[in-house]
Amino acid sequence: GAVVSQHPSRVICKSGTSVKIECRSLDFQATTMFWYRQFPKQSLMLMATSNEGSKATYEQGVEKDKFLINHASLTLSTLTVTSAHPEDSSFYICSARDVAGTGIEQFFGPGTRLTVL
Amino acid sequence: GQQLNQSPQSMFIQEGEDVSMNCTSSSIFNTWLWYKQDPGEGPVLLIALYKAGELTSNGRLTAQFGITRKDSFLNISASIPSDVGIYFCAGQKGTSGTYKYIFGTGTRLKVLA
Repeated sequence: GAVVSQHPSRVICKSGTSVKIECRSLDFQATTMFWYRQFPKQSLMLMATSNEGSKATYEQGVEKDKFLINHASLTLSTLTVTSAHPEDSSFYICSARDVAGTGIEQFFGPGTRLTVL
Repeated sequence: GQQLNQSPQSMFIQEGEDVSMNCTSSSIFNTWLWYKQDPGEGPVLLIALYKAGELTSNGRLTAQFGITRKDSFLNISASIPSDVGIYFCAGQKGTSGTYKYIFGTGTRLKVLA
């Protein structure tokens, strides 16, 4: 149980284009999902908290107009990187919190590697 | 953003040896968690600690929640080659409905067979 998937697993795009990454909770419902970014040999940095049916909460320094988050259902959140540039190349990881659980544990997806040329 | 400090940054050990790593913070956390991340994958939860002073084991892993709530350590006994990876601590903060994790800087473990 508690499986989180991400799609695509890796994507290469041209500079200036937009890329959408999906995060799905496969066997549980998640009112809250989190998006992290991880640069090579660095830690996971929280970008934003995605709440089902409401606006996402962004961490300081993360541009909300560049990283669009939509959490339209209890099992799906999407992150769209708009007008991507090479410096946006990174490993993007989502996590989800089970509504039926203690509210503390987050289950992580396998990550999406974005390369912007 | 805020990060927790982990030490050591990396270590090479011989198979069969015990490993110890720790995580410190300048602020208090309500919950400490330890994750392992393999290359190109998401982190996987190893141990979660919910009370100050708590000592919890999961197989060859043992972790403790520091009494000050500002630190935690993870021990791995009798290491094996598949223990290779990056170990992250995470502190959970916030109130009900707004919980979020702050991750540590990571400890990269390499096991020599």
